[in-house]
Amino acid sequence: KNEVEQSPQNLTAQEGEFITINCSYSVGISALHWLQQHPGGGIVSLFMLSSGKKKHGRLIATINIQEKHSSLHITASHPRDSAVYICAVAPFGNEKLTFGTGTRLTIIP
Amino acid sequence: DADVTQTPRNRITKTGKRIMLECSQTKGHDRMYWYRQDPGLGLRLIYYSFDVKDINKGEISDGYSVSRQAQAKFSLSLESAIPNQTALYFCATGRAGDYGYTFGSGTRLTVV
Repeated sequence: KNEVEQSPQNLTAQEGEFITINCSYSVGISALHWLQQHPGGGIVSLFMLSSGKKKHGRLIATINIQEKHSSLHITASHPRDSAVYICAVAPFGNEKLTFGTGTRLTIIP
Repeated sequence: DADVTQTPRNRITKTGKRIMLECSQTKGHDRMYWYRQDPGLGLRLIYYSFDVKDINKGEISDGYSVSRQAQAKFSLSLESAIPNQTALYFCATGRAGDYGYTFGSGTRLTVV
């Protein structure tokens, strides 16, 4: 069983919809990352968080340490948000990341 | 210039050939990592280095070797490429005590 589980695996939505991607993990962590990967492209770090909530533009990331769960929200989704979103965690005492398998998001105009 | 640069971006090679993927960074980070990405799987760690003289195997190091030529350069070699090493390879950097990562743009390797 993967230590990091993401849901859904695939998500298709209409432009303008509110998007939520979930990440659950099974170990104690020092930090959680949300990453974005466009088709054929590299990986970009969106957020790193260890508690609470962070916001950048239309993206919001939250984490509940007690429940071992994080969510990534996209408000007013746009076709350019179409990408794979990856959750990764740094377990306690370990700087090496463990990755989820990603959520493929497609926003239809 | 990108903070973490990988070369080449794409490569097609034949089974049995030796190939080197290169990674250089301008972040000044001491930690460098090589990951492999396959469809349907999360990124998996091949090798990592915490400084020039500290090289460690990751979870899937068989068939790979690395060299940390300088703090800024970390190369991944496939001594004798095989088709199941066809994948997208990423280099990443980080700093001691900081959990932030910076990724390169990836190298798409095809072994035929």
